[in-house]
Amino acid sequence: DVKVTQSSRYLVKRTGEKVFLECVQDMDHENMFWYRQDPGLGLRLIYFSYDVKMKEKGDIPEGYSVSREKKERFSLILESASTNQTSMYLCASSFGAASYGYTFGSGTRLTVV
Amino acid sequence: DQQVKQNSPSLSVQEGRISILNCDYTNSMFDYFLWYKKYPAEGPTFLISISSIKDKNEDGRFTVFLNKSAKHLSLHIVPSQPGDSAVYFCAASGNPNTGTASKLTFGTGTRLQVTL
Repeated sequence: DVKVTQSSRYLVKRTGEKVFLECVQDMDHENMFWYRQDPGLGLRLIYFSYDVKMKEKGDIPEGYSVSREKKERFSLILESASTNQTSMYLCASSFGAASYGYTFGSGTRLTVV
Repeated sequence: DQQVKQNSPSLSVQEGRISILNCDYTNSMFDYFLWYKKYPAEGPTFLISISSIKDKNEDGRFTVFLNKSAKHLSLHIVPSQPGDSAVYFCAASGNPNTGTASKLTFGTGTRLQVTL
């Protein structure tokens, strides 16, 4: 079974802190994604990556950056956390076209106080 | 600009009856549609998908219908079971030939509650 592992289930951070969310997949998938889930807004794409050191902005990249130094690891960085970044963050990976489907991690519930 | 919309935020259905979840999309470049199911504190899991060349795909209790001219798809669950209670997201991807195939655009989700 493909596994996508997010390092933390729950995080509480202070406004202005730099926050790192880590995601690791074990099936050699090319594509990795970061989404956030908010009530009434569904899943919104923050950043994605098709290959090592490649990254592309999604629909809501402001306030975030990403890093993909190794194929299996995709990190989401909140440069200076703000309260409006309190959310559920979901990492996903896929092989090839999205029509094959994603495998998601269990999510990280981030609260910024 | 919400390209994939689920206009019903919640739905309550009795056990054994049919659940119908709806999804509308605006982007005519979408070529493939998927449904995901999400339980609290877990990541979404893939449920069923359909290509735009089909109008129906069935997998056990789950059937997805696609009306391309209306840009509308629906997920039917028959019979509904209490374990089906979850949030359901529809998602769409583009055509591989147009280079838009590698990411999914998700709807806002519908919370289904199946009651006893």
